[in-house]
Amino acid sequence: EPEVTQTPSHQVTQMGQEVILRCVPISNHLYFYWYRQILGQKVEFLVSFYNNEISEKSEIFDDQFSVERPDGSNFTLKIRSTKLEDSAMYFCASTPPAGTYEQYFGPGTRLTVT
Amino acid sequence: EDQVTQSPEALRLQEGESSSLNCSYTVSGLRGLFWYRQDPGKGPEFLFTLYSAGEEKEKERLKATLTKKESFLHITAPKPEDSATYLCAVFWGGSGGSYIPTFGRGTSLIVHP
Repeated sequence: EPEVTQTPSHQVTQMGQEVILRCVPISNHLYFYWYRQILGQKVEFLVSFYNNEISEKSEIFDDQFSVERPDGSNFTLKIRSTKLEDSAMYFCASTPPAGTYEQYFGPGTRLTVT
Repeated sequence: EDQVTQSPEALRLQEGESSSLNCSYTVSGLRGLFWYRQDPGKGPEFLFTLYSAGEEKEKERLKATLTKKESFLHITAPKPEDSATYLCAVFWGGSGGSYIPTFGRGTSLIVHP
């Protein structure tokens, strides 16, 4: 069964460094999302992406964040200058083209900023 | 104030003891309500989508229902393997013409054998 994959599974970085989190959505899906989940807290929407542009973004998704679909398979989230409070699980999700809004999540990348 | 509220926060059941989880929402322009299961350290796993009041969906021991301002996830005769956090999310109209997903804090379910 097709699934969303994410790399790396765990990333440790120093405050102020740039990180790129990678996702490979399910191949025929058209909508892509990034979420974060701080330990013990709820899943928070960051950004949605369709047709090579951002559809919606939350207040969390400020100028420090950017997303890109550099090729036909990868979807990336870049954090330009990491802060301690960026430490969280980051999930990628994708939705099939049938208009059902069903989201299929990847296993997540645990980002630790020291 | 949370736009999606789930209750209870935690629920302990004995195997076979049926119960319900609640999700209430205050957003406008609802496009759909979703239930997910999340195991520790893993990504949410899609369970159900509900689009309109009165709709019901079933999968094994789970049944989801939707009214105008809340949804229930009924668990019938649960087993220990049903232990997980159950997440509710609503998708509602965004300013960009798309939709915004908003999650509740989840209900942590433990089923004792």
